[in-house]
Amino acid sequence: SQTIHQWPATLVQPVGSPLSLECTVEGTSNPNLYWYRQAAGRGLQLLFYSVGIGQISSEVPQNLSASRPQDRQFILSSKKLLLSDSGFYLCAWSAYVNTGELFFGEGSRLTVL
Amino acid sequence: GENVEQHPSTLSVQEGDSAVIKCTYSDSASNYFPWYKQELGKGPQLIIDIRSNVGEKKDQRIAVTLNKTAKHFSLHITETQPEDSAVYFCVLLSGSARQLTFGSGTQLTVLP
Repeated sequence: SQTIHQWPATLVQPVGSPLSLECTVEGTSNPNLYWYRQAAGRGLQLLFYSVGIGQISSEVPQNLSASRPQDRQFILSSKKLLLSDSGFYLCAWSAYVNTGELFFGEGSRLTVL
Repeated sequence: GENVEQHPSTLSVQEGDSAVIKCTYSDSASNYFPWYKQELGKGPQLIIDIRSNVGEKKDQRIAVTLNKTAKHFSLHITETQPEDSAVYFCVLLSGSARQLTFGSGTQLTVLP
């Protein structure tokens, strides 16, 4: 069966520090991968999605970047965090781009102080 | 991008009562409408979905209805139980943008 792992689960970082959140998927090949942010309130905002190694689409211009160095690995990064980057970050995968079920990880809660 | 409005933002019901959450959208080309449930501290999970060629779909205590003419779709939970307490998101696949758009969520609380 497929599983998705995301870490760290919680992170407290000072403003201006770098960020690296990692997500890996097991049990499937060539998944479509996504990073979402859930800010205070409850809506989910799509940040990045990837249909293959090295292929990243950005949905919202921001202080963040994403990379996909391996087929089942998706990394969310920032060189300098802003206060507004605080939130709950969710990694997800799907078998088909935006036409089927999304499988979410457990999330990473980032607090920028 | 595509806009989807979800109401209400919070909903409290007594255990055993029904709960209804409604979403409206504007893109007539939208053709896929899933609903996700997010429990506290976890990622959302798909609970039911419906495609545009169907008006209603049921899965035990959960049902979804779709009115394409009026451009709204609703989640119905009957005989609610405390474990139904969670945040529920309507989602739609925009026909034009080919992207999933999430509603703002509804915090459902089932009171024992």
